Amino acid sequence: AQTVTQSQPEMSVQEAETVTLSCTYDTSESDYYLFWYKQPPSRQMILVIRQEAYKQQNATENRFSVNFQKAAKSFSLKISDSQLGDAAMYFCAFSPLAGEKLTFGTGTRLTIIP
Amino acid sequence: DAGVIQSPRHEVTEMGQEVTLRCKPISGHNSLFWYRQTMMRGLELLIYFNNNVPIDDSGMPEDRFSAKMPNASFSTLKIQPSEPRDSAVYFCASSLTNQPQHFGDGTRLSIL
Repeated sequence: AQTVTQSQPEMSVQEAETVTLSCTYDTSESDYYLFWYKQPPSRQMILVIRQEAYKQQNATENRFSVNFQKAAKSFSLKISDSQLGDAAMYFCAFSPLAGEKLTFGTGTRLTIIP
Repeated sequence: DAGVIQSPRHEVTEMGQEVTLRCKPISGHNSLFWYRQTMMRGLELLIYFNNNVPIDDSGMPEDRFSAKMPNASFSTLKIQPSEPRDSAVYFCASSLTNQPQHFGDGTRLSIL
C-alpha cells in the first residue's frame, strides 16, 4: 500500500516571497504519478501540478514548480511570488496511474501574510 | 465545459434517515471516484468505477454505504441508515484514462 506524508500542518509566507511545501511518499511501484491539489476555503479541489515518475525533469506551471527526488521519494512544491489567492490547504497525492485512485497526504495549510 | 456536478451541496438530516448523494461526471470521462473528507481521517477513497463497473470498493466503510453507476453520466452514493459519524464532505471526481481527476464541489453532509 502507498502512503503519503506531509509533515508541515501549517506554513506561512509573506506576499511576493517564495515558499516550499514538503511531501514524502512510500511505494514499491516504479511508475506512478504525483500531484499537488489546492483546496481554498470554497472547498473546491483544484489540480495545481502533476509529475510523472518516469520523467526526470521537474514539472512547472507558471509560479508553481516541484522538486521531484525519486530515489528519496520526495516531492516538494515551490510557490514563487506568493499571492493572497494562494492561501489554501495543499494536498500531495499519489496514484499508480494518472486515472486511478488517489492516496492523499494530510495537507498543509498555507497562509499568505500581506 | 461543465465540470463534475454534485448535488446537493449541503444536506442536513437526522440519524437513521436515508441519504442519497448524486454525481454527474464530465461528459466522456470513463472513471468516477467517490471520496470522503473528515478532520480525523483526511481525504480517503470510498469507491471507484471504470466504464460504469465498480473496480475498488475497499474503502466503503460498511454495509450501510452503497454506490451505483447505472450509466456513464450518473452515479449515486447512498447511506442507509445514516449515523452522526457519517458527517463529512463527500467528493465525486471523474477522469479519462491516464489523465488527472477533476473534482466536483463536494456535498457537505451533517447527520444530527
